[in-house]
Amino acid sequence: NAGVTQTPKFRILKIGQSMTLQCAQDMNHNYMYWYRQDPGMGLKLIYYSVGAGITDKGEVPNGYNVSRSTTEDFPLRLELAAPSQTSVYFCASSYSEGVYEQYFGPGTRLTVT
Amino acid sequence: GNSVTQMEGPVTLSEEAFLTINCTYTATGYPSLFWYVQYPGEGLQLLLKATKADDKGSNKGFEATYRKETTSFHLEKGSVQVSDSAVYFCALSGETSGSRLTFGEGTQLTVNP
Repeated sequence: NAGVTQTPKFRILKIGQSMTLQCAQDMNHNYMYWYRQDPGMGLKLIYYSVGAGITDKGEVPNGYNVSRSTTEDFPLRLELAAPSQTSVYFCASSYSEGVYEQYFGPGTRLTVT
Repeated sequence: GNSVTQMEGPVTLSEEAFLTINCTYTATGYPSLFWYVQYPGEGLQLLLKATKADDKGSNKGFEATYRKETTSFHLEKGSVQVSDSAVYFCALSGETSGSRLTFGEGTQLTVNP
């Protein structure tokens, strides 16, 4: 199993540009998550999904959008990139919530200049 | 709401030293508690967990005990190795349905030979 995969690994965007961060998992997990990690700040939840066709906002959703058309894929869309979105983005998945482990992808390092 | 507080870092130790990373939490009821580890350039991975009071989670020589009376989940290892150098995150998942994972700020550990 590949686990959770993310593309691209690195990206530099200009202010106002758009892009989609890709995330896929092959563990048949219903739950998927997008986090951002800023230096010294831990992880903040952006959006999550409890199954195909169902998404909900996390702690810091402004400036982002998501969709979940299949169990495997959970892309994150940045519509108008801003310097405040410079961060490392992690996708994760889990079988369920509560006591269940979350499996993380390797991350995407995004710089907006 | 739920919150997790970790000891301020970074922490630098010599090989074979004893490690403690403090973690305290605020949550209602009986949350599940986790330690995740992030090695350089990688995503987070679960190190250990405990799901009820007085449980001890352990893995790779690391241990942490769920202390309800002090709302703590301190991470310990008797003899650290250079390969333990990483960022360690304490996290909790609330007892109620729909509760998302809440992370602490992370503690950078560097072990010198």
